[in-house]
Amino acid sequence: ELKVEQNPLFLSMQEGKNYTIYCNYSTTSDRLYWYRQDPGKSLESLFVLLSNGAVKQEGRLMASLDTKARLSTLHITAAVHDLSATYFCAVDVNYQLIWGAGTKLIIKP
Amino acid sequence: NAGVTQTPKFQVLKTGQSMTLQCAQDMNHNSMYWYRQDPGMGLRLIYYSASEGTTDKGEVPNGYNVSRLNKREFSLRLESAAPSQTSVYFCASSDDGVMNTEAFFGQGTRLTVV
Repeated sequence: ELKVEQNPLFLSMQEGKNYTIYCNYSTTSDRLYWYRQDPGKSLESLFVLLSNGAVKQEGRLMASLDTKARLSTLHITAAVHDLSATYFCAVDVNYQLIWGAGTKLIIKP
Repeated sequence: NAGVTQTPKFQVLKTGQSMTLQCAQDMNHNSMYWYRQDPGMGLRLIYYSASEGTTDKGEVPNGYNVSRLNKREFSLRLESAAPSQTSVYFCASSDDGVMNTEAFFGQGTRLTVV
């Protein structure tokens, strides 16, 4: 069974702290995507990771992909309140996206 | 450049009523998708269309039908709505998927079936 598991599912943290969200998947894939969703809003693409070892950074967020370990990480550096959202990873399997359940991130001022 | 446009944004239906959700994209994408999102869950694929004239079932197709009217438009129809279909529905599109299946999403339709 194809599975994409995100950990943790819920994270509450203080501003200024660092943390990592993990996305594990159960089948071979070398394409993975990270999205952000604000409450009541649509999904916004954050990162596109298309090969083993891919690393992308945007502001305080950095995403990486290890296809051998079937693992992607989304690292948050010195968190700020504006990063509060739900973050989803999605894995491309035969040109279809399989989605994780999402990580709800709350950053307290 | 509007991207992916969905209508309506909100809808309340009575059990047994039918309705069609409309979706259009202006990015010349070949692939289009309909997802549903339920509280605390990720996205579940209802149907997708890899190209004009083709449609395929996703993970949760029961109770839905789709039409790929042309390259731009992909509609989702509920023939006889049920309370279990209360959800937020998202339409998405992506390019031909050979190298990059990054999906672009519409704003969503919040559907309540009473």
